[in-house]
Amino acid sequence: EAGVAQSPRYKIIEKRQSVAFWCNPISGHATLYWYQQILGQGPKLLIQFQNNGVVDDSQLPKDRFSAERLKGVDSTLKIQPAKLEDSAVYLCASSAGTAREKLFFGSGTQLSVL
Amino acid sequence: DQQVKQNSPSLSVQEGRISILNCDYTNSMFDYFLWYKKYPAEGPTFLISISSIKDKNEDGRFTVFLNKSAKHLSLHIVPSQPGDSAVYFCAASGRGDYKLSFGAGTTVTVRA
Repeated sequence: EAGVAQSPRYKIIEKRQSVAFWCNPISGHATLYWYQQILGQGPKLLIQFQNNGVVDDSQLPKDRFSAERLKGVDSTLKIQPAKLEDSAVYLCASSAGTAREKLFFGSGTQLSVL
Repeated sequence: DQQVKQNSPSLSVQEGRISILNCDYTNSMFDYFLWYKKYPAEGPTFLISISSIKDKNEDGRFTVFLNKSAKHLSLHIVPSQPGDSAVYFCAASGRGDYKLSFGAGTTVTVRA
């Protein structure tokens, strides 16, 4: 069974530039999550989708971050414009149902904002 | 506001001995707890979970203990193996809000 796919693996940009990350969840998983993990901290939920609807985006900085999940399958997360403090690993995860069930994580995208 | 705390950033243990990882939480609404394991350059993978109706859950070499009155849980790995060297995250979720809150992680190094 294929796991959660994310791209790119690494991205280096300058502040005020824009960047986009892509995620393809495990086939059949209804719930998709984007997490931000800053060095030395645990993952922090940015947004949670159930199929193609947003369940929770309370911690998403909406002035610069946006995310969409088209047709309830793959998803993109965009940052525009990027700030230095956005440097982090962006993890995508999926689950068959709620977070009470196992989350399956992708390998993440490491973003460096210079 | 960190609701899940792992106060030991690192732990070094000899192969074959027990590893004990600790986790404290502050939100009394949390009723489901999980441990995830992360190798470098990979995403976290699920390890073991426990519901608040239990005080212990065991899966092979891994046992999680929950002390609700102290708002504390621990993960025991017995015996520790070199492949257990990784970062371990404690996570929790609450009734009605299934969002996971993660701790900052504990890096375990198993010495040969």
